[in-house]
Amino acid sequence: SAVISQKPSRDICQRGTSLTIQCQVDSQVTMMFWYRQQPGQSLTLIATANQGSEATYESGFVIDKFPISRPNLTFSTLTVSNMSPEDSSIYLCSVLPPSSYEQYFGPGTRLTVT
Amino acid sequence: AQSVTQPDIHITVSEGASLELRCNYSYGATPYLFWYVQSPGQGLQLLLKYFSGDTLVQGIKGFEAEFKRSQSSFNLRKPSVHWSDAAEYFCAVGAREYGNKLVFGAGTILRVKS
Repeated sequence: SAVISQKPSRDICQRGTSLTIQCQVDSQVTMMFWYRQQPGQSLTLIATANQGSEATYESGFVIDKFPISRPNLTFSTLTVSNMSPEDSSIYLCSVLPPSSYEQYFGPGTRLTVT
Repeated sequence: AQSVTQPDIHITVSEGASLELRCNYSYGATPYLFWYVQSPGQGLQLLLKYFSGDTLVQGIKGFEAEFKRSQSSFNLRKPSVHWSDAAEYFCAVGAREYGNKLVFGAGTILRVKS
């Protein structure tokens, strides 16, 4: 299993600003993912955060808008850039421990953009 | 393309009644299947998972699910619902061939009548 923490747990931001969300896991993992859950919607994968290389983005998500860092095997950040109200969502990170098929999710960051 | 369908957006059942939540998937590889639950303001909690073997899997909180390959389904069941089961339930599918990324269904909101 894995224990994941995210910071901040929630934030209210103004339009045009950027927010960086941190994801910390208590063990080394190869695969980390970032998901978005818009209000009343399901979860959509933003990108896979690769340690030592650039993140792999899903269709509809771009690095300029959602830059991701993965400096080591226990930590990742997601930045939501130049925010608009449409970015108001819950952002969740997840990890896939080695030799496991089960993803563990962090508690999420609830972002409101005004 | 991979997709997950949860045909019921809302379901209301009486406390003590049985429950079945439907999930169908379209996937180009042998899938791993999951059911997650999300209570209001809470993170995602894994209820159960199927990777291989016995097609009837048991999970936490008295839930079970049955994988039917011929029907591409993974329906969630509980014989007797408790008021605390009121939440949103998500079916998700992943596969190693697709980088272990999860594709989520739209979710089913369960309401429990007392």
